[in-house]
Amino acid sequence: GAVVSQHPSWVICKSGTSVKIECRSLDFQATTMFWYRQFPKQSLMLMATSNEGSKATYEQGVEKDKFLINHASLTLSTLTVTSAHPEDSSFYICSAQSGQFYEQYFGPGTRLTVT
Amino acid sequence: GEDVEQSLFLSVREGDSSVINCTYTDSSSTYLYWYKQEPGAGLQLLTYIFSNMDMKQDQRLTVLLNKKDKHLSLRIADTQTGDSAIYFCAETDSWGKFQFGAGTQVVVTP
Repeated sequence: GAVVSQHPSWVICKSGTSVKIECRSLDFQATTMFWYRQFPKQSLMLMATSNEGSKATYEQGVEKDKFLINHASLTLSTLTVTSAHPEDSSFYICSAQSGQFYEQYFGPGTRLTVT
Repeated sequence: GEDVEQSLFLSVREGDSSVINCTYTDSSSTYLYWYKQEPGAGLQLLTYIFSNMDMKQDQRLTVLLNKKDKHLSLRIADTQTGDSAIYFCAETDSWGKFQFGAGTQVVVTP
């Protein structure tokens, strides 16, 4: 149990286009979902926290108009990178929390490359 | 902000024990965690410990927490080649917000 999927697993897009990444909790309802960004050989940096039906809370320095987060249901959150640029290329990981803090499960990540 | 620090690299021989160390600064930590990340994959929760515990053992894994020194360690007994990965130390504050360390690359040699 406690599986989180992400789609796509990797995507290449041209500069200026938008890309949507989906995060789904497959066998549980997630009260809260999180989006992280990971640069090569670095740690995960929390971008935003989203609760179903409400606006996401963004971390300092993360542009909310560039990284649009929608948490449409208790099993689905999406991250849209708008007007992507090469510096947005990164590994994006979502996680879903089912209850207690330690009940947070991570997706496999999405590798975004912007050319 | 709060910091979580860990050494960047550890090399260990197959069959030996590995010890990965981590220090943190947040005195309001509720839980502390160890995650494993294999190349190109997401994070896999290995184990976690509540902040009022000082030790937790789970098969080959032993977690030690020294709350006074804000020091967390993960010991892997009988390390295998499949244990080669990046190991992340993390903690959650009283709001449940995660703070991750930079990760320790563990390389297991035959």
